[in-house]
Amino acid sequence: EPEVTQTPSHQVTQMGQEVILRCVPISNHLYFYWYRQILGQKVEFLVSFYNNEISEKSEIFDDQFSVERPDGSNFTLKIRSTKLEDSAMYFCASSEVRGTGYTFGSGTRLTVV
Amino acid sequence: GIQVEQSPPDLILQEGANSTLRCNFSDSVNNLQWFHQNPWGQLINLFYIPSGTKQNGRLSATTVATERYSLLYISSSQTTDSGVYFCAGGNTGTASKLTFGTGTRLQVTL
Repeated sequence: EPEVTQTPSHQVTQMGQEVILRCVPISNHLYFYWYRQILGQKVEFLVSFYNNEISEKSEIFDDQFSVERPDGSNFTLKIRSTKLEDSAMYFCASSEVRGTGYTFGSGTRLTVV
Repeated sequence: GIQVEQSPPDLILQEGANSTLRCNFSDSVNNLQWFHQNPWGQLINLFYIPSGTKQNGRLSATTVATERYSLLYISSSQTTDSGVYFCAGGNTGTASKLTFGTGTRLQVTL
């Protein structure tokens, strides 16, 4: 069964550093998403991406965040200057049709120290 | 935005027991999914079920879209069923995102 692949699975970074989280969506999917889950809390939407541009974003997705599809397969989330409160599990997801039938990756656990 | 309520928040079962988890939505959704988050934090997609009933092994789900709720049934529970179960919904007419509930934490004991 096709999978969404995320790397790395764990990342520890110092406060103020930039991090890039990587995702390889399912190859025939056209819609891409990032979600995050702070430990013990619910999963929250960050951003959706289609046709090489952001189609929707949440209040969490401020100027410190950016997304990019640098080539035909990767989808990245960049956090420019990490804060302690950015520590969370970050999930990438993709879907073939807008907003339906999401497949989630296994997540990247980001720890900011 | 859409509000998603899940019940119960916590559930402890003995192995072999059956259970029903419920998800209520504040508004109509045409995209509804159930997920299982395992102890390693991975989100496993269980069902895409905007309406009707689906079954997959010991799990089944029913969504009554007109009444804005969905149910997840777990039969003959096993210890590997432990974890957090999330439902999430969205309305593709207004937004592409999924709004998640706060989850039901299930512990299955021997």
